[in-house]
Amino acid sequence: QVQLVESGGGVVQPGRSLRLSCAASGFTFSSYPMHWVRQAPVKGLEWVAVISYDGSKKYYADSVQGRFTVSRDNSKNTLYLQMDSLKSEDTAVYYCARDCGAGSCPVGDYFDYWGQGTLGTVSS
Amino acid sequence: EIVLTQSPATLSLSPGERATLSCRASQSVSSYLAWYQQKPGQPPRLLIYDASNRATGIPARFSGSGSGTDFTLTISSLEPEDFAVYYCQQRSNSVTFGGGTKVEIK
Repeated sequence: QVQLVESGGGVVQPGRSLRLSCAASGFTFSSYPMHWVRQAPVKGLEWVAVISYDGSKKYYADSVQGRFTVSRDNSKNTLYLQMDSLKSEDTAVYYCARDCGAGSCPVGDYFDYWGQGTLGTVSS
Repeated sequence: EIVLTQSPATLSLSPGERATLSCRASQSVSSYLAWYQQKPGQPPRLLIYDASNRATGIPARFSGSGSGTDFTLTISSLEPEDFAVYYCQQRSNSVTFGGGTKVEIK
């Protein structure tokens, strides 16, 4: 079955960096675009970034553009999110999510499988 | 940025009742709208995509309708496990989510 397991969350000071990972299994990882979506405590959902199946295309939310970098290693079935110059407003649970378009949906940018999330806290 | 406004913020209903949730977009998103369910401590679960198509394994009591700027998620008869927060999401122009509607037990 499809599994997505995030790791790498923790507590960091403003201005520092954090690198999140998402280990995928149960499907052909290299065939799917992958996303990061975050949820601030007791708040709604915010899309963060997407990477194409082969890593050649990447898109970001305006709120993280220039500070966050999404990447993937298809040989390791792993998705990454490098978060630099962190701000307190980046505090959230970060989910990796599979794009539905390469599977059961006719178009992309919907999310059919999600990990359990990893909490990144930015605080002095 | 396309803003999605969900109403009501909270819906208080009893099991067996019909739930009607609304999502309004600040500009047309055609039919590029999805609905998700989220329970405490869990990630969201895809229910509906392209406004009216149920995702794999989603019960028939969940249905979606609408196009353009006005969308509705209907739960025909609430089961105990349906009490949760529901989010809409558009993919017409980048990706944005609505603020959520909490369906709580009355």
